[in-house]
Amino acid sequence: NAGVTQTPKFRILKIGQSMTLQCAQDMNHNYMYWYRQDPGMGLKLIYYSVGAGITDKGEVPNGYNVSRSTTEDFPLRLELAAPSQTSVYFCASSNLSGRQDGQPQHFGDGTRLSIL
Amino acid sequence: QKEVEQNSGPLSVPEGAIASLNCTYSDRGSQSFFWYRQYSGKSPELIMSIYSNGDKEDGRFTAQLNKASQYVSLLIRDSQPSDSATYLCAVRPPPSNTGKLIFGQGTTLQVKP
Repeated sequence: NAGVTQTPKFRILKIGQSMTLQCAQDMNHNYMYWYRQDPGMGLKLIYYSVGAGITDKGEVPNGYNVSRSTTEDFPLRLELAAPSQTSVYFCASSNLSGRQDGQPQHFGDGTRLSIL
Repeated sequence: QKEVEQNSGPLSVPEGAIASLNCTYSDRGSQSFFWYRQYSGKSPELIMSIYSNGDKEDGRFTAQLNKASQYVSLLIRDSQPSDSATYLCAVRPPPSNTGKLIFGQGTTLQVKP
């Protein structure tokens, strides 16, 4: 079972470059999330989506953009990379059918991004 | 500001002991609580979820919830070196229909042989 798949696993960017982090899930989950995790810290929510065509900001959205054209895919875009965006990025998905508030989030393996 | 607080540790316990990990949260309306384990360099994986006051047991793991005190804990019995990891507490604040979670910074557990 693939679950949540993130690509690439590692990337080094120069300041000012742009890139897209890919996230795909095959569990037919409606809800998808992007987090960043800095060393020794918990997860901070960047953006989330409750369904195709619907996205909203999380705690730390500045410098990022997202889109959700299909249920399966939720790419994260960095337009002008800055050193402060060096982090590990995790994508997650969940399904709130059934018990609406009790479903956990399932995580991808992460993308390690360094901006130099 | 909705917050989830954990002691960052490290918490060091000998093999075979009980490890007790604690978490407090600020939003009294929160209804769902999760514990994730994260090995170094890996992604978080779900260990336990709990929704009602009291204890919930799953193998060597017991989650405890006290909504009145806004406190959730994780007990690991018969701790093994393979339990050494960072444990993340996550809380789902209202409104719950977004599925969003607020994560604590995690507690690092070291189990020494």
